[in-house]
Amino acid sequence: AQSVSQHNHHVILSEAASLELGCNYSYGGTVNLFWYVQYPGQHLQLLLKYFSGDPLVKGIKGFEAEFIKSKFSFNLRKPSVQWSDTAEYFCAVNAFSNQGGKLIFGQGTELSVKP
Amino acid sequence: NAGVTQTPKFRVLKTGQSMTLLCAQDMNHEYMYWYRQDPGMGLRLIHYSVGEGTTAKGEVPDGYNVSRLKKQNFLLGLESAAPSQTSVYFCASGQQTQYFGPGTRLLVL
Repeated sequence: AQSVSQHNHHVILSEAASLELGCNYSYGGTVNLFWYVQYPGQHLQLLLKYFSGDPLVKGIKGFEAEFIKSKFSFNLRKPSVQWSDTAEYFCAVNAFSNQGGKLIFGQGTELSVKP
Repeated sequence: NAGVTQTPKFRVLKTGQSMTLLCAQDMNHEYMYWYRQDPGMGLRLIHYSVGEGTTAKGEVPDGYNVSRLKKQNFLLGLESAAPSQTSVYFCASGQQTQYFGPGTRLLVL
């Protein structure tokens, strides 16, 4: 079965620190990869996505992610976090199958940024 | 465009009561989904639909039913609510990229 694993459940950083959140998936075929962010009390918003092409993807608010096919990974990065980045971050995979465009989500990583 | 909207925003039910959650989208998407979000478990797919009049089971379908009578609407029903169904429910639409609604917070006592 397809699965998505996020290694860090809770990350605490100070402002201006660099961020890297890990995401690994288990599926050997073609995948689309996503990072969503959920600010406190809000719905999920798309940060960035990878379908094909350049494996380094840039998203909104200074976030980027790198797809490394050989490692089945899609880690999220930001060089310098801000207090406003405090949120929960979800990695998701859309594995091509005959079951529609279903997303498989990781468990989420809660990021707390201290001012 | 409103995107994806959900009603109600919050509801409290007693065990055994029934209710329907409504999701509406104005993006003309064929695909729509219902997820539940629980702490430490991410989002799990309950049911989904690949077009008007079609529905299919997701990862955690038990205790829920759905209907897609109109392309823009996707309804999630709980026939007999249980405390285990206390959760936040998110609707989404879109195929390659999914867009999420604001969520419905449900508490079953």
